[in-house]
Amino acid sequence: DTEVTQTPKHLVMGMTNKKSLKCEQHMGHRAMYWYKQKAKKPPELMFVYSYEKLSINESVPSRFSPECPNSSLLNLHLHALQPEDSALYLCASSQDRSGTGNEQFFGPGTRLTVL
Amino acid sequence: GQNIDQPTEMTATEGAIVQINCTYQTSGFNGLFWYQQHAGEAPTFLSYNVLDGLEEKGRFSSFLSRSKGYSYLLLKELQMKDSASYLCAVLNRDDKIIFGKGTRLHILP
Repeated sequence: DTEVTQTPKHLVMGMTNKKSLKCEQHMGHRAMYWYKQKAKKPPELMFVYSYEKLSINESVPSRFSPECPNSSLLNLHLHALQPEDSALYLCASSQDRSGTGNEQFFGPGTRLTVL
Repeated sequence: GQNIDQPTEMTATEGAIVQINCTYQTSGFNGLFWYQQHAGEAPTFLSYNVLDGLEEKGRFSSFLSRSKGYSYLLLKELQMKDSASYLCAVLNRDDKIIFGKGTRLHILP
């Protein structure tokens, strides 16, 4: 299984809603990532988990809250988002974070719209 | 600061060869990746270079010069399906990946 899966594919939410994005991989990868991508822009790193511990938080607002329940799962909890948070949210995983082990496998993304 | 530069857009003809350049200035260097991203899809891995020189993989090759902070991705025998964005990404000394803004490649028949 060389796939990263993400659910849901699309999500529309209001500014007062609470929702979660889910990501799963069964490749035994020990590093997992959340990215935000706006149209015609490169992915922007949000969070990195390494061995189930948060390694990097790129000064992301607290309305985004990551969670890594186990080595295969990564969640992103959303609360009180703003319309400018509308974007494609990509999850990725890699064997580890060093050298060639950082080759990242991306999921298909969740297209988020905040009304 | 950390900076990765690549051209915003390029156009080439089906069957031709195109070279996409990338220059970088980062806090340390632990390797350089190239990813391909079709519109509306997730990025997919193309290549990884950590030593100077050319890595060839089918129609795609990637070159690295660490002393010059320079890499290129060479695509041969271009096909229409190669129309995509190509992202240069550098792994810095903290093993943090930094993406360039991407090059949108248009292939003309």
